[in-house]
Amino acid sequence: GQNIDQPTEMTATEGAIVQINCTYQTSGFNGLFWYQQHAGEAPTFLSYNVLDGLEEKGRFSSFLSRSKGYSYLLLKELQMKDSASYLCAVRGGDYKLSFGAGTTVTVRA
Amino acid sequence: IAGITQAPTSQILAAGRRMTLRCTQDMRHNAMYWYRQDLGLGLRLIHYSNTAGTTGKGEVPDGYSVSRANTDDFPLTLASAVPSQTSVYFCASSEDGGRGWTEAFFGQGTRLTVV
Repeated sequence: GQNIDQPTEMTATEGAIVQINCTYQTSGFNGLFWYQQHAGEAPTFLSYNVLDGLEEKGRFSSFLSRSKGYSYLLLKELQMKDSASYLCAVRGGDYKLSFGAGTTVTVRA
Repeated sequence: IAGITQAPTSQILAAGRRMTLRCTQDMRHNAMYWYRQDLGLGLRLIHYSNTAGTTGKGEVPDGYSVSRANTDDFPLTLASAVPSQTSVYFCASSEDGGRGWTEAFFGQGTRLTVV
């Protein structure tokens, strides 16, 4: 099975940077995903890491260290619309896609 | 339709009744998933299917069954609903199964209340 841990809540100011950490333990590894979910909506894809290193997509970046079982999602130049839950998901060796409980980010003016 | 569609959008169900949640995708993805989402617990995998004709159990399979007769459809059945199955159910699909990995695309969700 998979254990995926991420903080429950984070608060930051508009224009700032926030880093959401995710640690995981899996039987095999076939990729790590970050999703954004606004209240009452379905999750939407943000980023994908399968190799170690940093992936950058506009204001969002994601980092992976497979040896440490660690990833983070970096949100830069925060905007009010970034207030949402951010979900870390891992595809294990059995190809199941499992999610962490999510981190609720609140952006304040 | 482009994407993944769930039906119904919401449902109130009497305990003990049988219910099937429908999920259809038109992206020809070979992998499909059913999750339930409860406050504070995130998305928990119920059942999954890596390809048509095969299914597997996730973290919380008890009380649920699935079938995958073809690529497009992945229905979730509650044989005899109980109040603890009150939740928001999400179906998802991805291009998976050993030929390369894509992100999972989610349906809009089904809000189920068992009373």
